Amino acid sequence: GAVVSQHPSWVICKSGTSVKIECRSLDFQATTMFWYRQFPKQSLMLMATSNEGSKATYEQGVEKDKFLINHASLTLSTLTVTSAHPEDSSFYICSAALASLTGELFFGEGSRLTVL
Amino acid sequence: SQQGEEDPQALSIQEGENATMNCSYKTSINNLQWYRQNSGRGLVHLILIRSNEREKHSGRLRVTLDTSKKSSSLLITASRAADTASYFCAQETSGSRLTFGEGTQLTVNP
Repeated sequence: GAVVSQHPSWVICKSGTSVKIECRSLDFQATTMFWYRQFPKQSLMLMATSNEGSKATYEQGVEKDKFLINHASLTLSTLTVTSAHPEDSSFYICSAALASLTGELFFGEGSRLTVL
Repeated sequence: SQQGEEDPQALSIQEGENATMNCSYKTSINNLQWYRQNSGRGLVHLILIRSNEREKHSGRLRVTLDTSKKSSSLLITASRAADTASYFCAQETSGSRLTFGEGTQLTVNP
């Protein structure tokens, strides 16, 4: 099946710093990628839809200036958590849509962010 | 809340038993998907059922969909310890945009 890679898989940073997480589709082109956040023992919450070559569409309540999304190519989307604070500590997961009739999404392995 | 509901929230069974998880949702859907997540890992797609389908099988998995009740169920037959994970349903409304349920934590005891 299609492979989606996230990097880094985990990161620890100091409060106030910015952290960039990459999401790559390794063997297919993804015009659309999605970013989710998951708190411990909770479900995935969609943060934004990332479209190649255009601005991301953010879900209600998600600060676009806080969570910068760039989808510069058909295989790479990045999420930058700016001026991170402890409450931003979470598991961030991306997914990419395979251009087919199945509607199946492929998920990355996730990136665990811990802000001290 | 945009999310659907799943029940039970947690399920503990013995190996060999069947596990049934239920999911309810709120809006019209294109399809409904079930995913599995091992602790601290990404999601693995299990099965997709379209809105015009009522039942689908894949190996030991059986999924049903009742659009009139806006509900779905996932049955895992002859469970194994390796099936221990969280299971999420997700509704696709448009453009591959998924809304996830709250999840069921399944524990299969050897």
